[in-house]
Amino acid sequence: DAGVTQSPTHLIKTRGQQVTLRCSPKSGHDTVSWYQQALGQGPQFIFQYYEEEERQRGNFPDRFSGHQFPNYSSELNVNALLLGDSALYLCASSRKGLSKNTEAFFGQGTRLTVV
Amino acid sequence: AQSVTQPDIHITVSEGASLELRCNYSYGATPYLFWYVQSPGQGLQLLLKYFSGDTLVQGIKGFEAEFKRSQSSFNLRKPSVHWSDAAEYFCAVVGMEYGNKLVFGAGTILRVKS
Repeated sequence: DAGVTQSPTHLIKTRGQQVTLRCSPKSGHDTVSWYQQALGQGPQFIFQYYEEEERQRGNFPDRFSGHQFPNYSSELNVNALLLGDSALYLCASSRKGLSKNTEAFFGQGTRLTVV
Repeated sequence: AQSVTQPDIHITVSEGASLELRCNYSYGATPYLFWYVQSPGQGLQLLLKYFSGDTLVQGIKGFEAEFKRSQSSFNLRKPSVHWSDAAEYFCAVVGMEYGNKLVFGAGTILRVKS
């Protein structure tokens, strides 16, 4: 089992550019959530995808958008990059609903640096 | 709204000593609670989780945590710390009426001295 895989691992972009990050969930998982972790902070929830739809969204601007594909993989897109978007972006996968038998598994993250 | 407070930004313990990392949460009902560990530049690994039932939960790597409803706390403990435990530890809460999103504390950096 490959677990949650994210690509790329590192990325450098210029202010104003657009970026796409990718995530493949753990086998058997159908829900993907994205988190932003700024340096020295805990992860902050961006949004969650299930059945190819955005189900929940955190306090992030519309510059942050996403997509989920039929195979449950997901993309995070950020437009008009700002220096403040520099962070570790984490993808987490789970089965729909959290119960005693489910948990969120995290990928290794994508380190985005905006210059 | 849900929130999590980890009062200690940094903690240093000697190898072999006991460890307790504090976590307080704010949530109206019984939450789902988690502790994750993160090594530098890495993703998050789940140490343990509490959903209901026995308030003392055992996790991986010899960690345990105790849920205390009266204190709104979920402190992480380990009786004897190893140098490899040096990392950042995050407490997180999920309130089901807020959906399945995890709300994290700011983290506690553990340093282990030999």
